[in-house]
Amino acid sequence: GAVVSQHPSWVICKSGTSVKIECRSLDFQATTMFWYRQFPKQSLMLMATSNEGSKATYEQGVEKDKFLINHASLTLSTLTVTSAHPEDSSFYICSALTGQNYEQYFGPGTRLTVT
Amino acid sequence: QKEVEQNSGPLSVPEGAIASLNCTYSDRVSQSFFWYRQYSGKSPELIMSIYSNGDKEDGRFTAQLNKASQYVSLLIRDSQPSDSATYLCAVADATSGTYKYIFGTGTRLKVLA
Repeated sequence: GAVVSQHPSWVICKSGTSVKIECRSLDFQATTMFWYRQFPKQSLMLMATSNEGSKATYEQGVEKDKFLINHASLTLSTLTVTSAHPEDSSFYICSALTGQNYEQYFGPGTRLTVT
Repeated sequence: QKEVEQNSGPLSVPEGAIASLNCTYSDRVSQSFFWYRQYSGKSPELIMSIYSNGDKEDGRFTAQLNKASQYVSLLIRDSQPSDSATYLCAVADATSGTYKYIFGTGTRLKVLA
């Protein structure tokens, strides 16, 4: 299967600071990537769809000014959590859509803790 | 609101048995269906994709699709304790101008040694 990497795998930051998470498709080009958030024992929640060269599409209820997404190349999308607060602590997972059969492959996730 | 429904479980099966996981979806025009496995604390991993009615087999896994009944299932033969995880059903939605998946809430499978 296709490989998607995510960096960092975990991060601890202080309240009010910003954190950037990178998502890379390693062996394929992805015009579309997705960002999800998952709280403990809860379902995946789609935050936004990231399209290369255009603005991200955010799901209802997700603040686009707080969660900045940039998809600058066919292999890289970034999510920046701005002015993070403890309630932003969660497991953030990216995924990338392959051109073949539109299969979606997930990165390993980033565990964010805001203190 | 398009929906994908799964029984949350847990579904407990003895080692070596067949585990049967079920999923229903609301959108009749859906064409692409996926099963993911998610271990606790990890991200989802794609197990199977299925696009046509009928069965699709890959090793110990068989996906079954019935578009008329809007039903997708995953069978795991010779279940192993390492199969214990949450299994997510996903349906592709391309009707809103963007391509995204609708995920079910997942079924937790426990394989008892």
